[in-house]
Amino acid sequence: SQQGEEDPQALSIQEGENATMNCSYKTSINNLQWYRQNSGRGLVHLILIRSNEREKHSGRLRVTLDTSKKSSSLLITASRAADTASYFCAPLPTSYGKLTFGQGTILTVHP
Amino acid sequence: NAGVTQTPKFQVLKTGQSMTLQCAQDMNHEYMSWYRQDPGMGLRLIHYSVGAGITDQGEVPNGYNVSRSTTEDFPLRLLSAAPSQTSVYFCASTRDRYSYEQYFGPGTRLTVT
Repeated sequence: SQQGEEDPQALSIQEGENATMNCSYKTSINNLQWYRQNSGRGLVHLILIRSNEREKHSGRLRVTLDTSKKSSSLLITASRAADTASYFCAPLPTSYGKLTFGQGTILTVHP
Repeated sequence: NAGVTQTPKFQVLKTGQSMTLQCAQDMNHEYMSWYRQDPGMGLRLIHYSVGAGITDQGEVPNGYNVSRSTTEDFPLRLLSAAPSQTSVYFCASTRDRYSYEQYFGPGTRLTVT
């Protein structure tokens, strides 16, 4: 499968702490995207990092990409209860051209 | 600008029945996709379309049919529903064929008994 694999499967933290989620993938990619899914809702695009980028920031989100290790991480700083959701990484393979999704990390932020 | 809309939100079918899940987008996106989401399986691509009149199979196409007569609409047809098709179905559209940043609909929760 060409999809990303998120780790850990579940993460439970207190409000104000940082949350780090990791993603590994198998093939060469054009870009890697992170999405959030609140319970019972559709996925929402958070951030995209291109294969020639190593780090990207968006508000409280920081994404890193290591193409040599075929891995990415998503850091949410100063987490809030509203960040409670499932987070998915989605690598866009160069050869296949369609986005694939992993099983996600379930993040629970306790107030 | 409504984005991606899906109807119905919930549906219960009996085995063997057929139905169509509706998906529409008002963003003039060429690329549209259907996914199903099952516990522990993540999202799996069923069918996708790169433009009106053009469709192709994804990872799990069996038992589903699609057509794309307009840019806006991309319906998913279940030909003869089976309990294995119990799932949550998401439609998504993409503005940019190179970045493939996707916009998702709210989903249809389907139960087949």
